[in-house]
Amino acid sequence: NAGVTQTPKFQVLKTGQSMTLQCAQDMNHEYMSWYRQDPGMGLRLIHYSVGAGITDQGEVPNGYNVSRSTTEDFPLRLLSAAPSQTSVYFCASRQTGQAFSGANVLTFGAGSRLTVL
Amino acid sequence: AQRVTQPEKLLSVFKGAPVELKCNYSYSGSPELFWYVQYSRQRLQLLLRHISRESIKGFTADLNKGETSFHLKKPFAQEEDSAMYYCALSAPIKAAGNKLTFGGGTRVLVKP
Repeated sequence: NAGVTQTPKFQVLKTGQSMTLQCAQDMNHEYMSWYRQDPGMGLRLIHYSVGAGITDQGEVPNGYNVSRSTTEDFPLRLLSAAPSQTSVYFCASRQTGQAFSGANVLTFGAGSRLTVL
Repeated sequence: AQRVTQPEKLLSVFKGAPVELKCNYSYSGSPELFWYVQYSRQRLQLLLRHISRESIKGFTADLNKGETSFHLKKPFAQEEDSAMYYCALSAPIKAAGNKLTFGGGTRVLVKP
């Protein structure tokens, strides 16, 4: 059981380049999400999905696209990278259950460190 | 809108001393609250959640709805507690996707 797998672990891009951060989970979790982690700003939600074919914006969605064609995969696309997108990106998933059921616990990937020059 | 505030960016304590990490939230309903921890070179992981009312690794956290706080406490800090700690809030509305909002994080350094 691999949990949440993110690739690549490290990436350096030039301004204007595009790339996709991959995220896959094998726990049959309905909910998947992408966060960026920046010093002093904590974890900010970029996009999330509550199931295949359903995505929604988080706090900081600009400059990022997502899709959810399968339950397992939730890729994050940067169409035209900017230096402000230099960050560590985390993918996380969880079941969606009744409120306070205890199912609402996120499992995180190891993170992807992106540098945009 | 839901918001989580962790006022301390860094807490430095000596081994054996008490440590308290503050977390304040704003949410109009009854949220679920969590503490997540990230040890050096490890993934973010759940430390504890308010609904379980349990002590994990000596840490406890009490939800105070009147003060809208969920402070994390440990009476005797250990060096292995050095890590980044995040307070998080989930709105218990399934239609909203139960998205989790994190605070800015508090780095804890326990000195020998």
